[in-house]
Amino acid sequence: GAGVSQSPSNKVTEKGKDVELRCDPISGHTALYWYRQSLGQGLEFLIYFQGNSAPDKSGLPSDRFSAERTGGSVSTLTIQRTQQEDSAVYLCASTFLRGDNSPLHFGNGTRLTVT
Amino acid sequence: DQQVKQNSPSLSVQEGRISILNCDYTNSMFDYFLWYKKYPAEGPTFLISISSIKDKNEDGRFTVFLNKSAKHLSLHIVPSQPGDSAVYFCAALASGSARQLTFGSGTQLTVLP
Repeated sequence: GAGVSQSPSNKVTEKGKDVELRCDPISGHTALYWYRQSLGQGLEFLIYFQGNSAPDKSGLPSDRFSAERTGGSVSTLTIQRTQQEDSAVYLCASTFLRGDNSPLHFGNGTRLTVT
Repeated sequence: DQQVKQNSPSLSVQEGRISILNCDYTNSMFDYFLWYKKYPAEGPTFLISISSIKDKNEDGRFTVFLNKSAKHLSLHIVPSQPGDSAVYFCAALASGSARQLTFGSGTQLTVLP
């Protein structure tokens, strides 16, 4: 079956512009996560959606970042007024919470470059 | 403050030999640990995991060891193959944390033919 799909795969934008990154999780997966990986760094948690519960936004680095998940499926991560330090690979992951320890399935990520 | 640390950014090993990747953590609430493997331009893929109630978990060529008292885990790959060349991320989870995995910064493993 299809895995987690992210688009675009690459995005170059000018400083100050807004960008939208899209994630299509695996069908039936109730939990969706956004992470980002800056150069030479580990994966940094951004936001988590679980079913109809309020999202956990504790990892969002600033109020320029927001995300939504429509209909419990597709998610969009929006970065407003992009800055150069936003350049990173943004990774989406989903899982079907069967107990506590089902592994996350990651997409291939969107490489964002802010010039 | 890095709660999960992979202090070796890179490791080179000869094909057929053992690869040992190390990971240290500081948060004593972590009770589940995972290793992910990442190829360039792809997302991380789950490799192997271990619960804190165990000290070893084995899956084929991959074995993860957990030393809770030292807050240390390691991934052993034996025998190493060129296709194992990738970045390996250690990740940790605290039960009840809404499954927010905390990742290390990764170790680039290169297996030389």
